[in-house]
Amino acid sequence: DAGVIQSPRHEVTEMGQEVTLRCKPISGHDYLFWYRQTMMRGLELLIYFNNNVPIDDSGMPEDRFSAKMPNASFSTLKIQPSEPRDSAVYFCASIISPQGASEAFFGQGTRLTVV
Amino acid sequence: AQSVTQLGSHVSVSEGALVLLRCNYSSSVPPYLFWYVQYPNQGLQLLLKYTSAATLVKGINGFEAEFKKSETSFHLTKPSAHMSDAAEYFCAVTNNNAGNMLTFGGGTRLMVKP
Repeated sequence: DAGVIQSPRHEVTEMGQEVTLRCKPISGHDYLFWYRQTMMRGLELLIYFNNNVPIDDSGMPEDRFSAKMPNASFSTLKIQPSEPRDSAVYFCASIISPQGASEAFFGQGTRLTVV
Repeated sequence: AQSVTQLGSHVSVSEGALVLLRCNYSSSVPPYLFWYVQYPNQGLQLLLKYTSAATLVKGINGFEAEFKKSETSFHLTKPSAHMSDAAEYFCAVTNNNAGNMLTFGGGTRLMVKP
């Protein structure tokens, strides 16, 4: 397996534009996580899914952020409209059960710059 | 509830010196603990994990960590630093009530001087 695949690797957009980040988890993994990494706040969990169902979205900062997982092999994180303070590296990670001690596999991240 | 505190956002050591990165956790039930490493422009990679078996856990690249319940700690060590160890290191915790949700510490950037 090629690991967790994120696209694009880099995104530069203007304030107000819609941004969509994409993630393909490892085949067979039933948990998918979206994280945001900034210098100020470190790694923050935004939302996670289990079997394509959102379980906890309490980390999503505002209504401008939304995430979907239409099937087991694809997830998107959308920001609409984007703002400069959304600039960060966004990571997707996937895990396979059993509970607790499973290793999370991370993608290489999408570096988002909103100007 | 669970949380992780990493003492020291930056640690600098000389090549060949001992590496010690500190992690203290809080968990309402027995924890599972992880150390991840992040190289520049990369995602996080697992170094090692504690799963309630042996309290001394050995990982990749010569790193190890010891789970100390009485101190609620899971410090990461390596006897002799190498230049290639320069990276950011994250401690993380989860437990059986957390649904595989990892909570990360703030990270420690390790710098290795020649």
